[in-house]
Amino acid sequence: GAVVSQHPSWVICKSGTSVKIECRSLDFQATTMFWYRQFPKQSLMLMATSNEGSKATYEQGVEKDKFLINHASLTLSTLTVTSAHPEDSSFYICSASIQRSTGGDSNYGYTFGSGTRLTVV
Amino acid sequence: GQNIDQPTEMTATEGAIVQINCTYQTSGFNGLFWYQQHAGEAPTFLSYNVLDGLEEKGRFSSFLSRSKGYSYLLLKELQMKDSASYLCAVRGNQGGKLIFGQGTELSVKP
Repeated sequence: GAVVSQHPSWVICKSGTSVKIECRSLDFQATTMFWYRQFPKQSLMLMATSNEGSKATYEQGVEKDKFLINHASLTLSTLTVTSAHPEDSSFYICSASIQRSTGGDSNYGYTFGSGTRLTVV
Repeated sequence: GQNIDQPTEMTATEGAIVQINCTYQTSGFNGLFWYQQHAGEAPTFLSYNVLDGLEEKGRFSSFLSRSKGYSYLLLKELQMKDSASYLCAVRGNQGGKLIFGQGTELSVKP
């Protein structure tokens, strides 16, 4: 099945530094990647949508200069948290849209990375 | 605007049946998904509804009424391992992105 590999699983960084999170599609081409952020006890909040070879589309309220998204190839999308601060500490997770066929039914599904726990100290 | 509502918490007993409701108001509709998520892990796909009616998958069933903007996830024969957060998500007509509800934290007790 379609697998998205997300790294790192967790990272601790100092305030003011930048952190890059990678999501790789291992056995398919991910033309679209969605990036989410999840605070404790809350749901997934969509940050941005990235399409291979074009600029990402950011959701309202998400600073595009702070959360840099690059989707330069069909198998790799990256999120860079620049000048991280403690309030950026969160669980970041990517999701690629895929076409899934299961038992004769077909629908458009999504496969998620395993997530990155970012802690900024 | 877009709004997806679910109860924040629910508690149920092992072996029982629980129904988790979800109501939505979104710009366009192109399918509703239910996911299970354990703390610190990625969501796991449970079900997908795009037409009205009931979809059954083992112990899990999901229902959709598009006219009412309403769905529910039904879990039967609850097990302790079903304790998790259950997320309702709607795909609108804007580039395939999924919008999630706030999630329902289900606690299954002996």
